[in-house]
Amino acid sequence: DVKVTQSSRYLVKRTGEKVFLECVQDMDHENMFWYRQDPGLGLRLIYFSYDVKMKEKGDIPEGYSVSREKKERFSLILESASTNQTSMYLCASSPNAPGSEAFFGQGTRLTVV
Amino acid sequence: TQLLEQSPQFLSIQEGENLTVYCNSSSVFSSLQWYRQEPGEGPVLLVTVVTGGEVKKLKRLTFQFGDARKDSSLHITAAQPGDTGLYLCAPQSIAGGTSYGKLTFGQGTILTVHP
Repeated sequence: DVKVTQSSRYLVKRTGEKVFLECVQDMDHENMFWYRQDPGLGLRLIYFSYDVKMKEKGDIPEGYSVSREKKERFSLILESASTNQTSMYLCASSPNAPGSEAFFGQGTRLTVV
Repeated sequence: TQLLEQSPQFLSIQEGENLTVYCNSSSVFSSLQWYRQEPGEGPVLLVTVVTGGEVKKLKRLTFQFGDARKDSSLHITAAQPGDTGLYLCAPQSIAGGTSYGKLTFGQGTILTVHP
């Protein structure tokens, strides 16, 4: 059974803290993604990685950075958390092939207070 | 950046009714996927359409890819409460290179089917 695991389901952090969201996949997929989901806005792509150490900005990268040191792990970093980063964060992975299915983790609900 | 529009944003219907959700863009796509997300879960793939004019059926769900590969629709016949969820379209670009696997989504349609 394919699996994408996000390290936390719920997280509460203070404004200004550095926050790490971790995602691990066990399917040997080349592509990994970080999205945030807010009501009425669907899933918005923050960053995309197509290989180890390779990354590409999505639609809303401001305030975020990512790290992919190993193929199976993709980390999202909030350098200095702000209240407007309170959201649901979803990680996904997919093979790098046409029309490939993306597999999602269950999400991390981050609240910045 | 491609402009992608999903409609309607909200849909609330009674069990047994039919409905259609639309996904439209100004860009041409190599393929398009539909996902469904239930509360507390990540999205799950329903279907991938690849050929212009293609129609795919999944039980009571019918997916169509426009002839020009710029739009798609999802039709549900005799909706059931179990169909409740967020429906998302995700077109995939013709462009190659690093954007080959890049996956972006429409805003989604929140469907509620009342018993």
